[in-house]
Amino acid sequence: AQTVTQSQPEMSVQEAETVTLSCTYDTSESDYYLFWYKQPPSRQMILVIRQEAYKQQNATENRFSVNFQKAAKSFSLKISDSQLGDAAMYFCAYRSKDDKIIFGKGTRLHILP
Amino acid sequence: DTAVSQTPKYLVTQMGNDKSIKCEQNLGHDTMYWYKQDSKKFLKIMFSYNNKELIINETVPNRFSPKSPDKAHLNLHINSLELGDSAVYFCASTLGGNEQFFGPGTRLTVL
Repeated sequence: AQTVTQSQPEMSVQEAETVTLSCTYDTSESDYYLFWYKQPPSRQMILVIRQEAYKQQNATENRFSVNFQKAAKSFSLKISDSQLGDAAMYFCAYRSKDDKIIFGKGTRLHILP
Repeated sequence: DTAVSQTPKYLVTQMGNDKSIKCEQNLGHDTMYWYKQDSKKFLKIMFSYNNKELIINETVPNRFSPKSPDKAHLNLHINSLELGDSAVYFCASTLGGNEQFFGPGTRLTVL
């Protein structure tokens, strides 16, 4: 069975600085999708970024980018120029071939003004 | 226009009652899901329906029964509510291998 591990329950970063959230996963599949979701205090789940496993190029979305290391089964999220609005829970997620999505336990990110 | 909507957003009820949460998506997606997020924020899949057919049914008590009248709706009915059912329940939908779009969540409190 697939698992997703986020080893950092909480992190803090100074506003305008860069922070990296780590995520590792375990799977025997070769084709899958990986996601980072953000959950602010409003509790809405918002997609931050998506990566297809067959693509070697790391996905980027404005200030958000990933470091996808398929062999190491690692999928970290880098947030550049952190803003107060980035404060949220961040969930790493794995989507398997049978359409099941498995979430990590989340990392709570605090932005320090 | 709201893409994935859930009603109600908040639900407070007594133990032993039966309640339903409704979910609708207007995105034309073919797959819908129910997730439970516990007090520690852990998000776990409960059910998944594809074109009105159940395709994922995790280890969930049979007091929980999903119903999909059409592919735009997936409702969740819960019988004999227990204290441990208190959580936030999220509906989501997807099309193919794309990301899931989540509803705003329903906070269920069982007293």
